[in-house]
Amino acid sequence: DAGVTQSPTHLIKTRGQQVTLRCSPKSGHDTVSWYQQALGQGPQFIFQYYEEEERQRGNFPDRFSGHQFPNYSSELNVNALLLGDSALYLCASRMARGYSGANVLTFGAGSRLTVL
Amino acid sequence: GQSLEQPSEVTAVEGAIVQINCTYQTSGFYGLSWYQQHDGGAPTFLSYNGLDGLEETGRFSSFLSRSDSYGYLLLQELQMKDSASYFCAVRENNNNDMRFGAGTRLTVKP
Repeated sequence: DAGVTQSPTHLIKTRGQQVTLRCSPKSGHDTVSWYQQALGQGPQFIFQYYEEEERQRGNFPDRFSGHQFPNYSSELNVNALLLGDSALYLCASRMARGYSGANVLTFGAGSRLTVL
Repeated sequence: GQSLEQPSEVTAVEGAIVQINCTYQTSGFYGLSWYQQHDGGAPTFLSYNGLDGLEETGRFSSFLSRSDSYGYLLLQELQMKDSASYFCAVRENNNNDMRFGAGTRLTVKP
């Protein structure tokens, strides 16, 4: 049973560029969330997607946007990259509320973004 | 304000017991979770407390007191492989995802 898969694993961009990160959720999961984790810090919630819509959003600017596809996979897009966007970007999936296991987030290994 | 406080570092020896505390101040509360993250790895779920009391899963236990806005993770019979970062996380309402603490780095020494 494949868990959450993310791509790419590492990437380097320069300031002002745009990046797209991809995530495939765990089989049976339909809710996908994205987190940003700076070095030595806990994951910070960016947004959550369910039924192809953004349902919740954390304290991140509009430069951060996303999408969820009918097969539940998701993309995170970041425009006009800043040095401070350098971080590990984690995708997490879970079952929808009301189902057993809905309190458990399954994380991918992340995409390490470096902005120069 | 909203915050989750946990110690930044804890060191213990193999075979010992260690407790990692977490106090929270959030706009709502729907449950406290704990996640483990090894260097370079993904956070993995350890436990969830929705109600007051102790939850036990093998060598790991987690406790919650909602009246004190406090919880802890108890790790028994420590092993070298338990060296990792441990995060407490709060779900603030039924629809929200988790708000994570900054993490506690546990080092287990021989």
